[in-house]
Amino acid sequence: NAGVTQTPKFRVLKTGQSMTLLCAQDMNHEYMYWYRQDPGMGLRLIHYSVGEGTTAKGEVPDGYNVSRLKKQNFLLGLESAAPSQTSVYFCASSYPKGHTSPTNYGYTFGSGTRLTVV
Amino acid sequence: AQSVTQLGSHVSVSEGALVLLRCNYSSSVPPYLFWYVQYPNQGLQLLLKYTTGATLVKGINGFEAEFKKSETSFHLTKPSAHMSDAAEYFCAVTLLTGTASKLTFGTGTRLQVTL
Repeated sequence: NAGVTQTPKFRVLKTGQSMTLLCAQDMNHEYMYWYRQDPGMGLRLIHYSVGEGTTAKGEVPDGYNVSRLKKQNFLLGLESAAPSQTSVYFCASSYPKGHTSPTNYGYTFGSGTRLTVV
Repeated sequence: AQSVTQLGSHVSVSEGALVLLRCNYSSSVPPYLFWYVQYPNQGLQLLLKYTTGATLVKGINGFEAEFKKSETSFHLTKPSAHMSDAAEYFCAVTLLTGTASKLTFGTGTRLQVTL
């Protein structure tokens, strides 16, 4: 039972390069999320998805794009990386279909991707 | 908008001492509240949650939290700290918009446990 798997775990990019972070979950969860974690700022929501084919902006969406072509996968893209995007990125999922409410169901997190942009 | 404030970015306790991590929330409607723990180089793990019902919530690893509406608080406690409790702890509140359930996190409290 893998849960939420993020790839890659580490990456160093040069300013202006692009990359895609992959999140995969095997729990048949409807909702998926991308957060970034920075020292002293907690976790901030970048984008989220409430189902296959849907995406929405979170608190800090600028500079990122996402796609959810398959229910189990949620991709986070950086088109032109900037040093300000140096961070640890976490994917999470929640709300198995058929559950009574998405609100009280906790998230399952991946182990994170540590991205450095130089 | 809903938010949480965690008082104290760093807390240090002796092994065997009481652990108290503070969280206050701001919400115009009854909130759903969560505590997560993050061990070094790992993702976040759910400790406990309050949705409805009993205001004293028990979680894993001996932690518990009490929802106090009058004080808008959801402090995390553990009677006796263990070295293995050293980690970062995050309080979170739901932000329900439309059909989405989004968690808003506090800035975290790093717990250090000393001998």
